[in-house]
Amino acid sequence: ETTVTQSPASLSMAVGEKVSISCKTSTDIDDDMNWYQQKSGEAPKLLISEGNTLRPGVPSRFSSSGYGTDFVFTINNVLLGDEGIYYCQQSDNVPFTFGSGTKLEIK
Amino acid sequence: QVTLKESGPGILQPSQTLSLTCSFSGFSLSTSGICVSWIRQPSGKGLEWLATICWEDSKGYNPSLKNRLTISKDTSNNQAFLKITSVDTADTAIYYCARSTMMVGVMDAWGQGASVTVSS
Repeated sequence: ETTVTQSPASLSMAVGEKVSISCKTSTDIDDDMNWYQQKSGEAPKLLISEGNTLRPGVPSRFSSSGYGTDFVFTINNVLLGDEGIYYCQQSDNVPFTFGSGTKLEIK
Repeated sequence: QVTLKESGPGILQPSQTLSLTCSFSGFSLSTSGICVSWIRQPSGKGLEWLATICWEDSKGYNPSLKNRLTISKDTSNNQAFLKITSVDTADTAIYYCARSTMMVGVMDAWGQGASVTVSS
């Protein structure tokens, strides 16, 4: 089983700042990493899929990079509406596993 | 428009079997490349993938739940199902179903979730 280690657990940022979230995997997963946003009381929403591919309709402020075992998710120019919990998830092998989440607060 | 909606018993007792239904529209589980997964989230905690079923009836399960899981589908009625046997309080969670398209582990559309409480 591939373990996904996500950090930090929480962030408090001001509007306009840059957010960076890290995920490290215990096995090489190529670029099979996905990123989700979960707002309070809602289901997760896919933002970025395998190959660092931005999903349709997702603003270009969101991006990701990485290959192998080290991955980074970035939000440029963070907005108040970006508050929520962000999860990474590997889709390279079963069982599909998620990071523990990063709670983003906007000051 | 793609929609998914989960339904379940709400509350059940320890040792019972949990039966969940995912009713969806806007896609078909008979279309090549389509899969439906179940994921759960205990209150205030993270996400756990449980199982996936695909258009050609292939299935995958999370081994952490050993042999307690059974996933199935009814293609003609646009539904997918999950059964969990011998539930206990640790199975209390919100249960989501989600669709994948072409990339089996990439969940690109989610239902709103169904709350399940296991309590005596």
